[in-house]
Amino acid sequence: QQQVKQSPQSLIVQKGGISIINCAYENTAFDYFPWYQQFPGKGPALLIAIRPDVSEKKEGRFTISFNKSAKQFSLHIMDSQPGDSATYFCAANLQTGANNLFFGTGTRLTVIP
Amino acid sequence: DGGITQSPKYLFRKEGQNVTLSCEQNLNHDAMYWYRQDPGQGLRLIYYSQIVNDFQKGDIAEGYSVSREKKESFPLTVTSAQKNPTAFYLCASSPGIRAQHFGDGTRLSIL
Repeated sequence: QQQVKQSPQSLIVQKGGISIINCAYENTAFDYFPWYQQFPGKGPALLIAIRPDVSEKKEGRFTISFNKSAKQFSLHIMDSQPGDSATYFCAANLQTGANNLFFGTGTRLTVIP
Repeated sequence: DGGITQSPKYLFRKEGQNVTLSCEQNLNHDAMYWYRQDPGQGLRLIYYSQIVNDFQKGDIAEGYSVSREKKESFPLTVTSAQKNPTAFYLCASSPGIRAQHFGDGTRLSIL
């Protein structure tokens, strides 16, 4: 059972456009929501994260929007660049336990020049 | 530089053979993890360890084994019982309950 559902599976965006990736969860015990960026042949790297008491967090061109009542959150990449082409994973974190990080299935983003 | 080193980058396994993937970290993190990545399936947890000499099974532990004799090291053995071992294997470590830092993975294929 997938704890975090992510869509779309793949996304093609024109350079300068906005990339939007959506995630949803059911477990209200999740209290931290990180996004990871993974380039081919590399491990995922933490990109940006948000807590559920905040509706939006922005770091440069990357913004997380969080809707606690709908149990949904999304990543927006403004002014998308070819260098942003990568696979993006959302995740949800429980506060306790070591096996506490649950990943979405990933979105492969391609930004075309 | 602090980080997680996985080796080898590419590995080939013959039928009936066990292979061991190395993971070393110099971040002084207590917790370490092994994930398997298949296309379209995200990251699935194989094993994790919170302290030395202790580890727990994740969601897909069958056909795999681990050891944690040192804080810095968490090797993963893919045994011959794992019938579909072809995947990208990722090791991660964490200082606590939040951030996980990943290595650059080992790609395992069957000969």
